[in-house]
Amino acid sequence: AQSVTQLDSHVSVSEGTPVLLRCNYSSSYSPSLFWYVQHPNKGLQLLLKYTSAATLVKGINGFEAEFKKSETSFHLTKPSAHMSDAAEYFCVVRSSARQLTFGSGTQLTVLP
Amino acid sequence: DADVTQTPRNRITKTGKRIMLECSQTKGHDRMYWYRQDPGLGLRLIYYSFDVKDINKGEISDGYSVSRQAQAKFSLSLESAIPNQTALYFCATSDWTGGAFYTQYFGPGTRLTVL
Repeated sequence: AQSVTQLDSHVSVSEGTPVLLRCNYSSSYSPSLFWYVQHPNKGLQLLLKYTSAATLVKGINGFEAEFKKSETSFHLTKPSAHMSDAAEYFCVVRSSARQLTFGSGTQLTVLP
Repeated sequence: DADVTQTPRNRITKTGKRIMLECSQTKGHDRMYWYRQDPGLGLRLIYYSFDVKDINKGEISDGYSVSRQAQAKFSLSLESAIPNQTALYFCATSDWTGGAFYTQYFGPGTRLTVL
């Protein structure tokens, strides 16, 4: 079965400093992986997705993630945090041909 | 995403009442989903539908039912609401690009409170 584990439930960074949100996956075959963001009182928005074309995936708003098969990781990064990045982030794996499995989420706080 | 709308956005009801949450989409997608979100648990799939005649149970379908009235409409019902169904409910749609990869587009959510 495919699953994801988000290693931190809360992350706090100062504005202008790097962001690292960690995600490990478990998959019996080459996975499809996604990062979604949820701003307060909003639906989920796709940040980026891993399609196996390249291990470094660039997404919207300056975010990127690197697929590392040897470490079974798909961490989300951004070089410089902005106040508007404060949100909840979900790492997601395609768990079957028809379903996605969501991680438990990481709440990102950006301090001024 | 404005292409996926949910009504109502907020609802407070009492135990035992029947509740319907509605979802409409203008994206032209065949696939639609209902999820619930609880703090610390991420999103869990309740039901999904790949076309009007294809309805499937997800991870947590007990206590829920769905209706796919048209390609663009997918409703979730709680036949007899109970307090542990208090949650944030999301509708989503997806395209199908073939192969293994597809993107889901989410509505703004419905916050349901069962007293």
